[in-house]
Amino acid sequence: EVQLVESGGGLVQPGGSLRLSCAASGFTFSSYAMHWVRQAPGKGLEYVSAISSNGGSTYYANSVKGRFTISRDNSKNTLYLQMGSLRAEDMAVYYCARGQTGDGAFDYWGQGTLVTVSS
Amino acid sequence: EIVMTQSPATLSVSPGERATLSCRASQSVSSNLAWYQQKPGQAPRLLIYGASTRATGIPARFSGSGSGTEFTLTISSLQSEDFAVYYCQQYNNWPPSTFGQGTRLEIK
Repeated sequence: EVQLVESGGGLVQPGGSLRLSCAASGFTFSSYAMHWVRQAPGKGLEYVSAISSNGGSTYYANSVKGRFTISRDNSKNTLYLQMGSLRAEDMAVYYCARGQTGDGAFDYWGQGTLVTVSS
Repeated sequence: EIVMTQSPATLSVSPGERATLSCRASQSVSSNLAWYQQKPGQAPRLLIYGASTRATGIPARFSGSGSGTEFTLTISSLQSEDFAVYYCQQYNNWPPSTFGQGTRLEIK
């Protein structure tokens, strides 16, 4: 069974940092592109970042470029999102999602982890 | 960046009736379009990919159509568990991928 489990969310002050993790199981993690998508309270889905299966290519939305870093450890089946210089507008539930093979849709999602940015 | 626009923002339909949700892209995305369902407190669930292919385990009452810039998600006979928020997503020449703002399907 495919599972994605996020962790690392919590309360952080503006300007602070946080690292999110997404532990994957039930599939060959190193064969799939992975993504981070966030959802602010009561709002829609926002695409945040992506990383290729071998980690060689990454992408960031303009809203997080220069502040967030996506990475993965295929030996640990884990995806990461290092978040820095956090702002109030970064407050959201962060989901990791798997990119479907041969297609760009996201076929599995984690349950999400909440990041609260507040003083 | 490709902008996805969903309509209507809210759709009120009675159980057993048909629901039709629309999604428009600001430029052609070919058939690289997915639909997701999200219920309160849950992660999105993939319903349709490639504009018209149902994901694993998705009931046949869900169908997708369209290509280019105009897409439709149809739910043929609404069940109580179908009332949720629906998002379209384009992934043509991704990244980036972009989502529509969502359509809330509510019970009439």
